Amino acid sequence: KNEVEQSPQNLTAQEGEFITINCSYSVGISALHWLQQHPGGGIVSLFMLSSGKKKHGRLIATINIQEKHSSLHITASHPRDSAVYICAPFGNEKLTFGTGTRLTIIP
Amino acid sequence: DTAVSQTPKYLVTQMGNDKSIKCEQNLGHDTMYWYKQDSKKFLKIMFSYNNKELIINETVPNRFSPKSPDKAHLNLHINSLELGDSAVYFCASSLGGRAHQPQHFGDGTRLSIL
Repeated sequence: KNEVEQSPQNLTAQEGEFITINCSYSVGISALHWLQQHPGGGIVSLFMLSSGKKKHGRLIATINIQEKHSSLHITASHPRDSAVYICAPFGNEKLTFGTGTRLTIIP
Repeated sequence: DTAVSQTPKYLVTQMGNDKSIKCEQNLGHDTMYWYKQDSKKFLKIMFSYNNKELIINETVPNRFSPKSPDKAHLNLHINSLELGDSAVYFCASSLGGRAHQPQHFGDGTRLSIL
């Protein structure tokens, strides 16, 4: 069993839909990172959080440390949000990566 | 003004050869990382350095040798390349290697072993 599980693995939605990606982890962590990998391969850091909720534009990340669970939400999704979203808990001085969720937003 | 730059972007070579990938960051960070992304797109840490000192060596074969001549550079040398080394290698950097600092990634080096 992976230390970091994401669901769903693949998600296709219509433009404008509300998107939720879930992450469960079994490792001890200091914080959890959400990353976005573009179709071209580049990786961008979206959020780091260790409690509660953070919001950047249309993206919202939440975490429940006790339940070892985090969610990434996208409101009013747009085709440019199509990417792979990766959950990565930070513990023992390193990131441990989930398998990623491939999101496709159809116009 | 690229923040984390890796060279080369693509590397195609024969099994058994030795090759190097270079990474440089101009963000003033003191911690740098090498990650491997396999054919299933799964990312895994290989090494991290803080102020030129090795912090993490994640059970990587001895054929892989990182070298950090200064805080801004972390190069990866690979000896006797094997088919299983085919992957995308990402360099990243952060400030202090801390949990709440974002990591900035290079664009990746796609290594293909023939």
